Amino acid sequence: DTEVTQTPKHLVMGMTNKKSLKCEQHMGHRAMYWYKQKAKKPPELMFVYSYEKLSINESVPSRFSPECPNSSLLNLHLHALQPEDSALYLCASSLDSPSYEQYFGPGTRLTVT
Amino acid sequence: GENVEQHPSTLSVQEGDSAVIKCTYSDSASNYFPWYKQELGKRPQLIIDIRSNVGEKKDQRIAVTLNKTAKHFSLHITETQPEDSAVYFCAASISDNAGNMLTFGGGTRLMVKP
Repeated sequence: DTEVTQTPKHLVMGMTNKKSLKCEQHMGHRAMYWYKQKAKKPPELMFVYSYEKLSINESVPSRFSPECPNSSLLNLHLHALQPEDSALYLCASSLDSPSYEQYFGPGTRLTVT
Repeated sequence: GENVEQHPSTLSVQEGDSAVIKCTYSDSASNYFPWYKQELGKRPQLIIDIRSNVGEKKDQRIAVTLNKTAKHFSLHITETQPEDSAVYFCAASISDNAGNMLTFGGGTRLMVKP
């Protein structure tokens, strides 16, 4: 398996909802990432997990909570989001660190109403 | 931290012509420079990358050059085709004790006219 998969593809949630985004890879990669991408902008790094430990948190608000249950799975738990959080959320993975090739999943298009 | 500037923001070429996209980076510690292509509604796809110990790398119609002294790197696409139309992002990777991270340029929208 040479792909990063993400579910769901689309998500609409209210500001009081709690939802989770899921990312999975079976390439044996030990680094996994969450990015946020707004329209016509580059991906912005949110979190980095290295060997299942959170190694980078780019000052992301606590309403976003990442979780790495094992080396193949990465979740992003969402709670009390704001409309400005609407974006494409991309997961990526690499063998060890960003200095190895980083592969992106198809993303979850999130709309907060 | 690292800062990556990318130019131009839009580029329109005729099919068959060449396209060049340029990026500059600020931190001399950066040592990995990937290029991603993102079609509308799709994921960013790695198309080519270069490391700081190499000056040039080529893969069919795509080449990347790196000038470490000037801290800039460029993507060259020859014999462009309509399917090359997409947004292209350059990035630079910097290492520190907390781990490594990619910093992206602002993107270039390439339009190839048939």
